[in-house]
Amino acid sequence: QVQLQESGPGLVKPSDTLSLTCTVSGYSISSGYFWGWIRQPPGKGLEWIGSIYHFGSTYYNPSLKSRVTISLDTSKNQFSLKLSSVTAADTAVYYCARGPAQLERDRFVYYYMDVWGKGTTVTVSS
Amino acid sequence: SYELTQPPSVSVSPGQTATITCSGDALPKQYAYWYQQKPGQAPVLVIYKDSERPSGIPERFSGSSSGTTVTLTISGVQAEDEADYYCQSADSSGTYVVFGGGTKLTVL
Repeated sequence: QVQLQESGPGLVKPSDTLSLTCTVSGYSISSGYFWGWIRQPPGKGLEWIGSIYHFGSTYYNPSLKSRVTISLDTSKNQFSLKLSSVTAADTAVYYCARGPAQLERDRFVYYYMDVWGKGTTVTVSS
Repeated sequence: SYELTQPPSVSVSPGQTATITCSGDALPKQYAYWYQQKPGQAPVLVIYKDSERPSGIPERFSGSSSGTTVTLTISGVQAEDEADYYCQSADSSGTYVVFGGGTKLTVL
């Protein structure tokens, strides 16, 4: 049974870098799938941040691309999110998720999230 | 940027049928997916590739697609189906993922 668990600081100062880690159990992240980050500001909807394929290629939300880095650590079976220059608008519940996907010429034929972590709340405040 | 449009809310009585729509220009070219989210919980996938149902999801959940609109149908709605529902797809070039704004389903 695949499980994902987010971890990281719950409070980040404005202009700092938000760093989160997703630890995967029950499946080796190097074996397949996309691994992604999604966030949800308080009282609002879901926003895709970005995803990384099991061999390392990354896809990012164009609106966040300049501030986002997603990486894999296969030795620890983890993947990570770094979001730089945060503001109060980045306050949200952050989820990690596994994603079945098929690519054709580096473009999604299909991609969705079938297993989610429980989420972690990150507040940006001084 | 590409957007998916959902109605903010849908209300239905127990036992009746709920339909939630999601509209987007790229939907004829890209699959749609549906997630259910209850308060304080992570989203759960209920439909993938327009109309496929994951194992463990009740048969009363179904999906369909027609042109630029996809629809989530919940037949014989139960009180436990009260939740927020989000559609998800990709832009026409298949380079980024988009979620709809979400629909709050209220069971009267």
